[in-house]
Order: sequence, then structure tokens, then C-alpha cells
Amino acid sequence: GDSVTQMEGPVTLSEEAFLTINCTYTATGYPSLFWYVQYPGEGLQLLLKATKADDKGSNKGFEATYRKETTSFHLEKGSVQVSDSAVYFCALSDLWGNEKLTFGTGTRLTIIP
Amino acid sequence: NAGVMQNPRHLVRRRGQEARLRCSPMKGHSHVYWYRQLPEEGLKFMVYLQKENIIDESGMPKERFSAEFPKEGPSILRIQQVVRGDSAAYFCASSPRDSYQPQHFGDGTRLSIL
Repeated sequence: GDSVTQMEGPVTLSEEAFLTINCTYTATGYPSLFWYVQYPGEGLQLLLKATKADDKGSNKGFEATYRKETTSFHLEKGSVQVSDSAVYFCALSDLWGNEKLTFGTGTRLTIIP
Repeated sequence: NAGVMQNPRHLVRRRGQEARLRCSPMKGHSHVYWYRQLPEEGLKFMVYLQKENIIDESGMPKERFSAEFPKEGPSILRIQQVVRGDSAAYFCASSPRDSYQPQHFGDGTRLSIL
């Protein structure tokens, strides 16, 4: 079945540091890929998405590129801020008639001023 | 433009009681999904519904759990005879009919079993 493997946390960085959170996936068909962010006590918010190979999703300075050859969708940001502290989830959905999301285990990110 | 509304935000039940969790999807959304998040874990899919139909319940425990999305009113996730292991955050998401649109999540219901 489908699965998502995500870089384990927690990750602690200083403000303005470069961020990479690794994500690889296993899926049949041609999945769409997503990054969701969860702030404390809240639900998940869609951060960015990509629906086909070589697509780059971007939002709020975050980027991720859909790499079919390496089955990866790594999240990057050039300069993190304290407000980026949250839990980040990589996810995929199967477009072949069933839209349930399969999530990674999440990576907790803490940014220190 | 209201988002996905879940209530209650927090629910406390004693072992053996019933828990009812409600979810009103975003306006114009006809697909509803329920996920469960155990402490320090990712979200696990439970069930996918459209109006009056269960499309995929492959993630639902075989006993005590049920879900519905009636023609009128919110989607309901019902847990009968709750046990301590049911303590978790339950999230609802919705999406429009277009399968290429991402899911939007509610803020969740945090269920605690005493």
C-alpha cells in the first residue's frame, strides 16, 4: 500500500537558518503530494502541493519539488523564522478514485531566536 | 467564508460512554474525511463519505465506530462504549467534488477518556 517516510524530528534551528525536511514516498499510480503544517492546538493547514512530476509547490517561502525518479518531495526554506515553529506533515493522495490522504509521522520544528 | 467546523473542540467521556463528534464541511464541499491522530503520531485515515454514502471505511475499527453524512446536517463520527485507547484528536476534512482540489481540515476534536 501507499506510504510516506518522513525525516524524524525534532528539528531545532536558529532563526535565518536553512531548512530541509526530507520526505520520500511509495505509491501506485500517480499520486499528488502535499505538505501540511500544524500549529499547536490547531488543525492542519495546507502549506503547498504538487500534482505531477517536476512540479514545484511553493508558499510563504517554503518550496518542494515532486521528484518521481527519487520518489521524494523534500521541504525547503532558505531562511526560517520563529513563527515557522510547528509540526510539518508530508502526505500523498491517490488520484485513482480514492482521495484519502496518507501521512508521514510528522516533523516537529522549533526555531530559536 | 467559514472553514470546516468541528464540535465540540474538547470532549471528555468515561469508559463505556458514547462519543459523538460533528463536522460541518466547507460550503460547497460534498466530500468528508475523518482522520485520527494519536499523541505524537501522524494522522491516520478512518473513513471517506459523500452525502448519504460511505465511500471508503478501510481505516475504521471494525467495532464500536461508525460514521454518517446525512443529506441534511453535519457528518457524525460515533464511538460507542469508549475505551482509554480511543483518546486522540479526531480531525475532519472536506473537499469539493473536483478530485484535484486539496482537503481542508477543521481544528479537530480532542477526545479524552477517563
